[in-house]
Amino acid sequence: DAGITQSPRHKVTETGTPVTLRCHQTENHRYMYWYRQDPGHGLRLIHYSYGVKDTDKGEVSDGYSVSRSKTEDFLLTLESATSSQTSVYFCAISAPGTSGSWEQFFGPGTRLTVL
Amino acid sequence: QKEVEQNSGPLSVPEGAIASLNCTYSDRGSQSFFWYRQYSGKSPELIMSIYSNGDKEDGRFTAQLNKASQYVSLLIRDSQPSDSATYLCAVNQYNFGNEKLTFGTGTRLTIIP
Repeated sequence: DAGITQSPRHKVTETGTPVTLRCHQTENHRYMYWYRQDPGHGLRLIHYSYGVKDTDKGEVSDGYSVSRSKTEDFLLTLESATSSQTSVYFCAISAPGTSGSWEQFFGPGTRLTVL
Repeated sequence: QKEVEQNSGPLSVPEGAIASLNCTYSDRGSQSFFWYRQYSGKSPELIMSIYSNGDKEDGRFTAQLNKASQYVSLLIRDSQPSDSATYLCAVNQYNFGNEKLTFGTGTRLTIIP
């Protein structure tokens, strides 16, 4: 399971409140990613990180920010949650696969509901 | 915009038959291709990766890549009820670690006992 955990696993919050989701990995992977998954849209990249304090935007980054102060933790923050951010959020890491090429592996996900 | 297209299904296949899942992509420069399986309420699980034209077999799974036609497929032989899931196709332009995958919306597969 690539040693990835996400917390919380479920969260219900109200519009306008800040929310932080945590991704924690235990295997010292350099590259980490945040995706959201919505019906009809598949998985879409929000932000990614290529090292401590090195992050960049994905295709759906508006309304989200990230931080990575330690290799093992990648935080996703919704500054002011909106109902359109109701989704399932997955963290992923990139690691060499069995053939030596790079592959992505996913954490268990966080189901976020914004009322 | 890079796109990955999959038939959303549902695709119903009798137990023991071959399930064939298809995926097309728009970026001709794509270098690496992946199939993920996702059970309802669970996270995507990588089941196959393929990087060069032709077939790659792993147990009951075969991935097929045709870069000229921008087409990648997944065959599941001797389908089992446990294969019932949504299958996601993902495509990446690079293959050096910091790849950003583009996913299709997935094909829902149901194996009928």
